[in-house]
Amino acid sequence: ELKVEQNPLFLSMQEGKNYTIYCNYSTTSDRLYWYRQDPGKSLESLFVLLSNGAVKQEGRLMASLDTKARLSTLHITAAVHDLSATYFCAVDSYGGSQGNLIFGKGTKLSVKP
Amino acid sequence: NAGVTQTPKFQVLKTGQSMTLQCAQDMNHEYMSWYRQDPGMGLRLIHYSVGAGITDQGEVPNGYNVSRSTTEDFPLRLLSAAPSQTSVYFCASSYVGLSSAAFFGQGTRLTVV
Repeated sequence: ELKVEQNPLFLSMQEGKNYTIYCNYSTTSDRLYWYRQDPGKSLESLFVLLSNGAVKQEGRLMASLDTKARLSTLHITAAVHDLSATYFCAVDSYGGSQGNLIFGKGTKLSVKP
Repeated sequence: NAGVTQTPKFQVLKTGQSMTLQCAQDMNHEYMSWYRQDPGMGLRLIHYSVGAGITDQGEVPNGYNVSRSTTEDFPLRLLSAAPSQTSVYFCASSYVGLSSAAFFGQGTRLTVV
């Protein structure tokens, strides 16, 4: 059974600080996704990581993938309040592009002044 | 751009009632999926479809039916609603492609009393 584990599940940060969210998954997958969800809203795609060693950056967020360690990280640099949201990682359940995602439980990020 | 449209946005059902959650996408995506989101559980896959006429079960299919007669539409039917089906339901679609991230609808908040 494919499992996706995120940690931490809750993260309270001060503005200007750096932190990393971790996503471990239990089976071989070459593709990993990061999504953002604001309270009461839908999910927005942040990153699609397609291969071992992939690194993508958008603004203050940087995501990386290590398929050998079955680990992805989402690094937050100099956090600002607008980054407060819940972040999910997900992998394809059958290792293919079938849109059948297995999600982690999410990391609720709160950035305080 | 409409993207993925879900209706209704909110619904209250009595135990034992049946209903259909509608999902339509206008992006000509092959893949469509239904997820439910419960507090602290992330998103869990209910059913998915890789194309018109083809559906399969996800992690939590019991109590739900789907069909896909067209590329655009993927309705989710609750056969006999139970309080355990109180949740937020998301429909998602994606296209065939290595970099394909799923696009999510705005969600349907369902309460079963």
